[in-house]
Amino acid sequence: DQQVKQNSPSLSVQEGRISILNCDYTNSMFDYFLWYKKYPAEGPTFLISISSIKDKNEDGRFTVFLNKSAKHLSLHIVPSQPGDSAVYFCAASDLSGNTGKLIFGQGTTLQVKP
Amino acid sequence: GAVVSQHPSRVICKSGTSVKIECRSLDFQATTMFWYRQFPKKSLMLMATSNEGSKATYEQGVEKDKFLINHASLTLSTLTVTSAHPEDSSFYICSARSGNAGELFFGEGSRLTVL
Repeated sequence: DQQVKQNSPSLSVQEGRISILNCDYTNSMFDYFLWYKKYPAEGPTFLISISSIKDKNEDGRFTVFLNKSAKHLSLHIVPSQPGDSAVYFCAASDLSGNTGKLIFGQGTTLQVKP
Repeated sequence: GAVVSQHPSRVICKSGTSVKIECRSLDFQATTMFWYRQFPKKSLMLMATSNEGSKATYEQGVEKDKFLINHASLTLSTLTVTSAHPEDSSFYICSARSGNAGELFFGEGSRLTVL
């Protein structure tokens, strides 16, 4: 059972435009969500997170939106840059359970064309 | 700089041999470490949760006798792939956190190729 889903395996965007990456989850106990960026043959690096008590969190060019009723979150990158080309994973955690486990989506490969 | 370091970053071994991968927290004491495996074009799959001084908790479907995890100190966890087979070839990633509320930091990953 895939509790965190990224239904778009890939996305191609022109430099300077907005990139929107989507993520859906099924477990209503998830209360903390994160986005990670991963380059080939490297470990993921943390990008941005959001707690379930918020619906938006912004950090520079990156904004994460959370719609709890729809169990949906999205990552907006604007303006997109060629260096943003990577695989993006969303992840969810039940922090109240104190396990620290993250459940990852399948990832979306973003390509930003110059 | 990196706060979680994995070694080796790449390893090639013969089928039937065992391979050990180390995960170290460099700037903090990691009470909990996690081991993930990434299959090609698929998500990171949590393999096991490693708590210092106790036995690892394995996720369903992960063979504990195949993937031995030891968290002997607050800065080091090891994953040993025993009697490796070609299907064990993968990218293995560890992560570490200090306490339950600390941020999760990932290692650089280790690519295992079993011939």
